[in-house]
Amino acid sequence: GDSVTQTEGQVALSEEDFLTIHCNYSASGYPALFWYVQYPGEGPQFLFRASRDKEKGSSRGFEATYDKGTTSFHLRKASVQESDSAVYYCALGSSNTNKVVFGTGTRLQVLP
Amino acid sequence: GPKVLQIPSHQIIDMGQMVTLNCDPVSNHLYFYWYKQILGQQMEFLVNFYNGKVMEKSKLFKDQFSVERPDGSYFTLKIQPTALEDSAVYFCASSSDSSGNTLYFGEGSRLIVV
Repeated sequence: GDSVTQTEGQVALSEEDFLTIHCNYSASGYPALFWYVQYPGEGPQFLFRASRDKEKGSSRGFEATYDKGTTSFHLRKASVQESDSAVYYCALGSSNTNKVVFGTGTRLQVLP
Repeated sequence: GPKVLQIPSHQIIDMGQMVTLNCDPVSNHLYFYWYKQILGQQMEFLVNFYNGKVMEKSKLFKDQFSVERPDGSYFTLKIQPTALEDSAVYFCASSSDSSGNTLYFGEGSRLIVV
């Protein structure tokens, strides 16, 4: 079935560091790809999405590019802030099923 | 952004009793979802619902679980009877389209079964 893999369980950075969180997917066709962010005690919030190859999604300084060749949608930010500390989920919306599948999440901790 | 409301925010319940979790989705949305999140772990899909019917459910959606949205009111998740392993945060989400579209989540209902 469709799946999403996030290799980093936790990432610790200092403010102004560059962030990369890896996301790879397995699905047929052209699934929609998403990034969500979850702060403690809250539900996941939509960050951005991309729906076709080479499309870039972005929001709040975060960005990711849909790459069908490498089946990836890596999240990047040039300069992280302490307020970016949260759990980030990569997700996939399958064109064949009616569910949205989430990765295992990456906990980002940004130290001041 | 669009708001999904969940009631209750938390509930403690004795094992074997029934619990109903309520979700007030975004007003013009047509697709509804429940996800389960055990503390510190990932979001796991339970079920999605459209036009009065379950479209897809996962293995986590046990026979003791049921969903409905009577007369366009709350979208509910009922667990009867509850088990200890049902303790988790349950997140409701809604979207205006099927899985290719964006999900908007509520704040979650924390369920503790004792």
